Amino acid sequence: AQKVTQAQTEISVVEKEDVTLDCVYETRDTTYYLFWYKQPPSGELVFLIRRNSFDEQNEISGRYSWNFQKSTSSFNFTITASQVVDSAVYFCALSGFNTGGFKTIFGAGTRLFVKA
Amino acid sequence: GAGVSQTPSNKVTEKGKYVELRCDPISGHTALYWYRQSLGQGPEFLIYFQGTGAADDSGLPNDRFFAVRPEGSVSTLKIQRTERGDSAVYLCASSRGLAENTGELFFGEGSRLTVL
Repeated sequence: AQKVTQAQTEISVVEKEDVTLDCVYETRDTTYYLFWYKQPPSGELVFLIRRNSFDEQNEISGRYSWNFQKSTSSFNFTITASQVVDSAVYFCALSGFNTGGFKTIFGAGTRLFVKA
Repeated sequence: GAGVSQTPSNKVTEKGKYVELRCDPISGHTALYWYRQSLGQGPEFLIYFQGTGAADDSGLPNDRFFAVRPEGSVSTLKIQRTERGDSAVYLCASSRGLAENTGELFFGEGSRLTVL
């Protein structure tokens, strides 16, 4: 069975602090994808990043960076120099190939508050 | 527009009534997903279509829930004999065809269902 665990329910930081959101996953698939999505107060989920199971290279995009470690089944997300606009709920998700295509499951989310 | 469109955006109904929620995916996207999101929770998988057929309906909670996608484009989620526990935001997402599908989902703004 597939499972995504985001142990941090809420995190509160002050602007310009760095913050890391944790994600641990479980899957029996050998080919899978990991994602992070952002859900701002407006409600619509927005894709941030995708990593496939064969690529453990860390990735940096502006203030965002992701650390994928298969050995610990983790895919953590770090925001550097956080800003108020980063306040949102962040979801980690896992997509594994099964018959007919991909099924994506989501973690419970981490609500990030960035205070000015 | 070019995004996933969901109607209605809000639906208030009485316990025991029948409701239909509609999703119009991004043009050319052959995969379509329905999720349910309760307050403070992550999206919960309901069903996913590849073309016209339901590739995985394992997330439908019971036989009161049914979804169709007769022409491989627009999908309708149908809920019979609604219960108060069905109150949630119902999210629709679409993604590209199987050959190109790396699992990235494009979400609509959701249909908020309130059962009184």
